[in-house]
Amino acid sequence: ILNVEQSPQSLHVQEGDSTNFTCSFPSSNFYALHWYRWETAKSPEALFVMTLNGDEKKKGRISATLNTKEGYSYLYIKGSQPEDSATYLCAFMNYGGATNKLIFGTGTLLAVQP
Amino acid sequence: GAGVSQSPRYKVTKRGQDVALRCDPISGHVSLYWYRQALGQGPEFLTYFNYEAQQDKSGLPNDRFSAERPEGSISTLTIQRTEQRDSAMYRCASSLVRGLKETQYFGPGTRLLVL
Repeated sequence: ILNVEQSPQSLHVQEGDSTNFTCSFPSSNFYALHWYRWETAKSPEALFVMTLNGDEKKKGRISATLNTKEGYSYLYIKGSQPEDSATYLCAFMNYGGATNKLIFGTGTLLAVQP
Repeated sequence: GAGVSQSPRYKVTKRGQDVALRCDPISGHVSLYWYRQALGQGPEFLTYFNYEAQQDKSGLPNDRFSAERPEGSISTLTIQRTEQRDSAMYRCASSLVRGLKETQYFGPGTRLLVL
């Protein structure tokens, strides 16, 4: 059974704080790691697709790193704003088979206080 | 619209009834996925289509669940003889191609409540 874990489960920070959270995934048969941002009642929004060990991606104040050998990815948010409040989901894609199905973690719920 | 659309957005049904959930992917997207999401959990894979071919249905929980995509565009997920445990958010996603950096674009979901 492939397991993707995210920590912490939830996080409360003040506006302006920088924060980071972790996604752990199986290190064998790695194919890709996706990060999504999801606001309740909306569709999950794709942030990054990461495929290579050592990958670093950046989008505005949000960045992510990838370590496929040890099976983890970090998502960083610099200078959090209230509009960053959302659940951040990571999803692992393993190699092989006819499907690129995503195996999701349970997410980290971020709440940014003004 | 430019995104993935799903209908209905909310469905309340009585136990034992059949329901059909529709997904309209982004135009031209080859791959289509169905996921189910319980409260407080990430989406869980149900089934995958490449054009009209259902290539993976390993995530369908039992034979009451079926899906089709007859013309390689719109897809329908059907749940027969619904049970209370089927209550969840059902999301569909589409992607342009099947490849290493494939991004899956999600629809808003259908919230199903079985009474």
